[in-house]
Amino acid sequence: EAGVAQSPRYKIIEKRQSVAFWCNPISGHATLYWYQQILGQGPKLLIQFQNNGVVDDSQLPKDRFSAERLKGVDSTLKIQPAKLEDSAVYLCASSLGGGGRAFFGQGTRLTVV
Amino acid sequence: QQPVQSPQAVILREGEDAVINCSSSKALYSVHWYRQKHGEAPVFLMILLKGGEQKGHEKISASFNEKKQQSSLYLTASQLSYSGTYFCGTGGGGADGLTFGKGTHLIIQP
Repeated sequence: EAGVAQSPRYKIIEKRQSVAFWCNPISGHATLYWYQQILGQGPKLLIQFQNNGVVDDSQLPKDRFSAERLKGVDSTLKIQPAKLEDSAVYLCASSLGGGGRAFFGQGTRLTVV
Repeated sequence: QQPVQSPQAVILREGEDAVINCSSSKALYSVHWYRQKHGEAPVFLMILLKGGEQKGHEKISASFNEKKQQSSLYLTASQLSYSGTYFCGTGGGGADGLTFGKGTHLIIQP
């Protein structure tokens, strides 16, 4: 069974630039999550989708972060403009339904310089 | 609210036992346990649901005390492969996403 796919694996950008991350969840998984993991900390939920609708985006910094999940499958997370404190690993996860076992992708390590 | 994990780190010899605790200040519906190795994605270990009993997975088991809003992960006869950072993720109910603790670093020495 194919896992959650994310790209790119690594990205280095300068502050104030924009960046986008892509996620392809496990086939059939209705729920998709984006987490931000700062070095030495646990993952922090940024946004949760159920199919192509947003369930929870309460911790998403909406002035600079945006996410979409078109057609209820792939998802894109964008940061514009990036700040130094956005340096982190961005993890995408999916599950059959909300609250169930989540499968994580390898993540995208973002470094903002 | 972020659950609190203890201890922050533990170093064991192979074959020793460990207990990792996770507590929350709010009512819990579920507790999820994950293990993450350096540079890798978190890997699911188990879910404990409100009203559920203790669960086990080979030599790794966990309990969930709803009244105390706590969960504990038990690793018995630890193996080198158990090394990593263990996270508990708590769910408030329904289809909520998880709120993760800061993690417990486990180092198993030969």
